[in-house]
Amino acid sequence: DTAVSQTPKYLVTQMGNDKSIKCEQNLGHDTMYWYKQDSKKFLKIMFSYNNKELIINETVPNRFSPKSPDKAHLNLHINSLELGDSAVYFCASSRDSYNSPLHFGNGTRLTVT
Amino acid sequence: GESVGLHLPTLSVQEGDNSIINCAYSNSASDYFIWYKQESGKGPQFIIDIRSNMDKRQGQRVTVLLNKTVKHLSLQIAATQPGDSAVYFCAENEMGGADGLTFGKGTHLIIQP
Repeated sequence: DTAVSQTPKYLVTQMGNDKSIKCEQNLGHDTMYWYKQDSKKFLKIMFSYNNKELIINETVPNRFSPKSPDKAHLNLHINSLELGDSAVYFCASSRDSYNSPLHFGNGTRLTVT
Repeated sequence: GESVGLHLPTLSVQEGDNSIINCAYSNSASDYFIWYKQESGKGPQFIIDIRSNMDKRQGQRVTVLLNKTVKHLSLQIAATQPGDSAVYFCAENEMGGADGLTFGKGTHLIIQP
Protein backbone atom coordinates (compact mmCIF):
# COMPACT_ATOMS: atom_id res chain seq x y z
CA ASP A 1 0.00 0.00 0.00
CA THR A 2 1.26 3.44 -0.91
CA ALA A 3 1.83 5.50 2.22
CA VAL A 4 1.64 8.94 0.60
CA SER A 5 -0.17 9.07 -2.70
CA GLN A 6 -0.72 12.04 -4.92
CA THR A 7 -2.64 12.49 -8.13
CA PRO A 8 -2.22 13.14 -10.94
CA LYS A 9 1.33 12.04 -11.67
CA TYR A 10 1.50 14.29 -14.72
CA LEU A 11 -0.41 17.51 -15.33
CA VAL A 12 -0.11 19.55 -18.50
CA THR A 13 -2.11 22.74 -18.73
CA GLN A 14 -2.14 26.19 -20.25
CA MET A 15 -1.26 29.49 -18.65
CA GLY A 16 -4.10 31.10 -16.79
CA ASN A 17 -5.84 27.87 -15.89
CA ASP A 18 -6.69 26.72 -12.38
CA LYS A 19 -5.66 23.23 -11.30
CA SER A 20 -5.54 21.01 -8.23
CA ILE A 21 -3.26 18.25 -7.03
CA LYS A 22 -4.57 15.79 -4.50
CA CYS A 23 -2.63 14.13 -1.70
CA GLU A 24 -3.56 11.43 0.77
CA GLN A 25 -1.56 9.70 3.47
CA ASN A 26 -2.51 6.50 5.28
CA LEU A 27 0.23 6.67 7.90
CA GLY A 28 -1.85 8.39 10.56
CA HIS A 29 0.57 11.31 10.55
CA ASP A 30 -0.35 14.65 12.04
CA THR A 31 1.53 16.93 9.68
CA MET A 32 1.46 17.23 5.92
CA TYR A 33 3.54 19.30 3.53
CA TRP A 34 3.89 20.47 -0.01
CA TYR A 35 7.32 20.84 -1.56
CA LYS A 36 8.33 22.17 -4.97
CA GLN A 37 11.30 20.68 -6.83
CA ASP A 38 12.73 22.77 -9.63
CA SER A 39 14.66 21.70 -12.72
CA LYS A 40 17.90 21.70 -10.72
CA LYS A 41 16.40 19.23 -8.25
CA PHE A 42 16.27 21.80 -5.47
CA LEU A 43 13.49 20.99 -2.98
CA LYS A 44 11.79 23.92 -1.33
CA ILE A 45 8.99 23.81 1.19
CA MET A 46 5.78 25.56 0.27
CA PHE A 47 3.43 24.72 3.13
CA SER A 48 3.18 22.67 6.27
CA TYR A 49 -0.16 21.87 7.88
CA ASN A 50 -0.61 20.49 11.37
CA ASN A 51 -3.85 20.24 13.29
CA LYS A 52 -5.38 23.07 11.34
CA GLU A 53 -2.32 25.25 11.73
CA LEU A 54 -0.99 26.33 8.38
CA ILE A 55 2.54 27.56 8.04
CA ILE A 56 3.24 29.21 4.74
CA ASN A 57 6.59 29.84 3.14
CA GLU A 58 6.49 33.58 2.56
CA THR A 59 7.92 33.21 -0.92
CA VAL A 60 4.95 31.19 -2.18
CA PRO A 61 2.56 33.28 -4.30
CA ASN A 62 -0.98 33.51 -2.97
CA ARG A 63 -2.15 31.82 -6.16
CA PHE A 64 -1.18 28.62 -4.35
CA SER A 65 -3.49 27.47 -1.59
CA PRO A 66 -3.56 24.23 0.39
CA LYS A 67 -6.86 22.72 1.42
CA SER A 68 -7.17 20.02 4.07
CA PRO A 69 -10.60 18.35 4.30
CA ASP A 70 -9.28 16.04 7.01
CA LYS A 71 -6.03 14.96 8.66
CA ALA A 72 -5.25 12.43 5.93
CA HIS A 73 -5.58 14.81 3.00
CA LEU A 74 -3.84 17.98 1.89
CA ASN A 75 -4.69 19.16 -1.58
CA LEU A 76 -2.91 21.92 -3.47
CA HIS A 77 -4.91 24.41 -5.53
CA ILE A 78 -3.19 26.66 -8.00
CA ASN A 79 -4.94 29.60 -9.64
CA SER A 80 -3.93 31.50 -12.76
CA LEU A 81 -1.07 29.17 -13.62
CA GLU A 82 2.14 30.72 -14.94
CA LEU A 83 5.02 29.27 -16.93
CA GLY A 84 7.26 29.49 -13.88
CA ASP A 85 4.98 27.17 -11.96
CA SER A 86 6.27 24.26 -14.05
CA ALA A 87 8.01 21.92 -11.62
CA VAL A 88 7.54 18.67 -9.73
CA TYR A 89 5.37 19.05 -6.65
CA PHE A 90 5.77 16.63 -3.77
CA CYS A 91 3.38 15.97 -0.96
CA ALA A 92 4.82 14.63 2.29
CA SER A 93 3.72 13.75 5.79
CA SER A 94 5.38 13.29 9.16
CA ARG A 95 4.39 12.03 12.57
CA ASP A 96 4.83 15.45 14.12
CA SER A 97 5.87 18.85 12.86
CA TYR A 98 9.54 18.59 13.78
CA ASN A 99 12.27 16.07 14.41
CA SER A 100 10.62 13.20 12.59
CA PRO A 101 11.25 12.01 9.04
CA LEU A 102 9.06 13.14 6.19
CA HIS A 103 7.52 10.51 3.95
CA PHE A 104 7.11 11.69 0.40
CA GLY A 105 4.74 10.86 -2.40
CA ASN A 106 6.09 10.21 -5.89
CA GLY A 107 5.41 13.69 -7.14
CA THR A 108 3.25 15.46 -9.68
CA ARG A 109 5.05 16.85 -12.70
CA LEU A 110 3.28 20.06 -13.66
CA THR A 111 3.95 21.54 -17.08
CA VAL A 112 2.45 24.91 -17.92
CA THR A 113 2.43 25.81 -21.62
CA GLY B 1 18.07 32.63 5.51
CA GLU B 2 20.55 29.99 6.45
CA SER B 3 20.92 27.00 4.20
CA VAL B 4 22.09 23.48 3.85
CA GLY B 5 24.34 22.57 0.94
CA LEU B 6 26.36 19.79 -0.60
CA HIS B 7 29.97 19.99 -1.72
CA LEU B 8 29.84 17.84 -4.87
CA PRO B 9 27.07 17.78 -7.43
CA THR B 10 28.17 14.43 -8.93
CA LEU B 11 30.06 11.52 -7.42
CA SER B 12 31.10 8.48 -9.43
CA VAL B 13 32.30 5.30 -7.69
CA GLN B 14 33.04 1.74 -8.73
CA GLU B 15 30.55 -0.93 -7.78
CA GLY B 16 31.62 -2.54 -4.55
CA ASP B 17 33.58 0.49 -3.36
CA ASN B 18 32.55 2.67 -0.46
CA SER B 19 31.18 6.14 -1.13
CA ILE B 20 31.05 9.25 1.00
CA ILE B 21 28.65 12.10 0.33
CA ASN B 22 29.26 15.32 2.20
CA CYS B 23 27.00 18.10 3.36
CA ALA B 24 27.64 21.45 5.04
CA TYR B 25 25.02 23.34 6.96
CA SER B 26 25.10 26.84 8.34
CA ASN B 27 22.24 26.97 10.84
CA SER B 28 23.84 26.49 14.25
CA ALA B 29 20.39 25.87 15.71
CA SER B 30 19.86 22.78 13.56
CA ASP B 31 19.46 19.73 15.72
CA TYR B 32 17.95 17.08 13.47
CA PHE B 33 19.44 15.83 10.22
CA ILE B 34 18.25 13.40 7.60
CA TRP B 35 19.61 11.82 4.45
CA TYR B 36 17.26 11.09 1.59
CA LYS B 37 17.69 9.13 -1.62
CA GLN B 38 15.77 10.11 -4.72
CA GLU B 39 15.56 7.84 -7.72
CA SER B 40 14.38 9.05 -11.08
CA GLY B 41 10.63 9.61 -11.20
CA LYS B 42 10.17 9.00 -7.50
CA GLY B 43 9.91 11.00 -4.34
CA PRO B 44 12.74 11.32 -1.81
CA GLN B 45 13.09 8.19 0.29
CA PHE B 46 14.26 8.29 3.90
CA ILE B 47 17.64 6.63 4.47
CA ILE B 48 18.82 7.55 7.94
CA ASP B 49 18.57 10.35 10.46
CA ILE B 50 20.63 11.66 13.34
CA ARG B 51 20.01 14.07 16.17
CA SER B 52 22.48 16.63 17.39
CA ASN B 53 23.21 14.72 20.61
CA MET B 54 24.92 12.03 18.51
CA ASP B 55 27.93 12.13 16.20
CA LYS B 56 27.48 8.79 14.45
CA ARG B 57 24.66 6.49 13.56
CA GLN B 58 24.71 3.31 11.55
CA GLY B 59 22.13 1.59 9.44
CA GLN B 60 22.24 -1.19 6.93
CA ARG B 61 25.31 -0.39 4.77
CA VAL B 62 24.97 3.29 5.64
CA THR B 63 26.58 5.43 8.29
CA VAL B 64 25.87 9.07 9.02
CA LEU B 65 28.50 11.21 10.72
CA LEU B 66 27.75 14.57 12.28
CA ASN B 67 30.41 17.11 13.18
CA LYS B 68 28.68 19.99 14.92
CA THR B 69 31.91 21.90 15.43
CA VAL B 70 32.35 22.49 11.72
CA LYS B 71 28.68 22.01 10.83
CA HIS B 72 29.34 19.05 8.59
CA LEU B 73 27.30 15.96 7.84
CA SER B 74 28.31 12.96 5.77
CA LEU B 75 26.72 9.79 4.47
CA GLN B 76 28.86 6.74 3.98
CA ILE B 77 27.56 3.91 1.83
CA ALA B 78 29.46 0.66 2.09
CA ALA B 79 29.93 -1.80 -0.78
CA THR B 80 27.94 0.25 -3.25
CA GLN B 81 25.51 -1.51 -5.55
CA PRO B 82 23.93 -0.43 -8.86
CA GLY B 83 20.71 0.30 -6.98
CA ASP B 84 22.50 2.96 -4.98
CA SER B 85 22.63 5.19 -8.05
CA ALA B 86 20.40 8.15 -7.22
CA VAL B 87 20.44 11.74 -6.05
CA TYR B 88 21.16 12.08 -2.34
CA PHE B 89 19.96 14.99 -0.24
CA CYS B 90 20.80 16.05 3.24
CA ALA B 91 18.12 17.93 5.15
CA GLU B 92 17.93 19.62 8.51
CA ASN B 93 15.46 21.02 10.95
CA GLU B 94 15.77 23.29 13.92
CA MET B 95 14.53 22.29 17.35
CA GLY B 96 10.91 23.25 17.57
CA GLY B 97 10.87 24.25 13.96
CA ALA B 98 7.44 23.55 12.61
CA ASP B 99 8.10 24.48 9.04
CA GLY B 100 9.45 21.23 7.70
CA LEU B 101 12.89 20.25 6.55
CA THR B 102 15.38 22.44 4.73
CA PHE B 103 17.07 20.49 1.95
CA GLY B 104 20.51 20.76 0.47
CA LYS B 105 21.11 20.85 -3.26
CA GLY B 106 21.65 17.15 -3.85
CA THR B 107 24.53 14.94 -4.99
CA HIS B 108 24.11 12.61 -7.91
CA LEU B 109 25.78 9.30 -7.06
CA ILE B 110 26.72 7.19 -10.07
CA ILE B 111 27.78 3.58 -9.57
CA GLN B 112 30.13 2.38 -12.29
CA PRO B 113 30.03 -1.35 -13.12
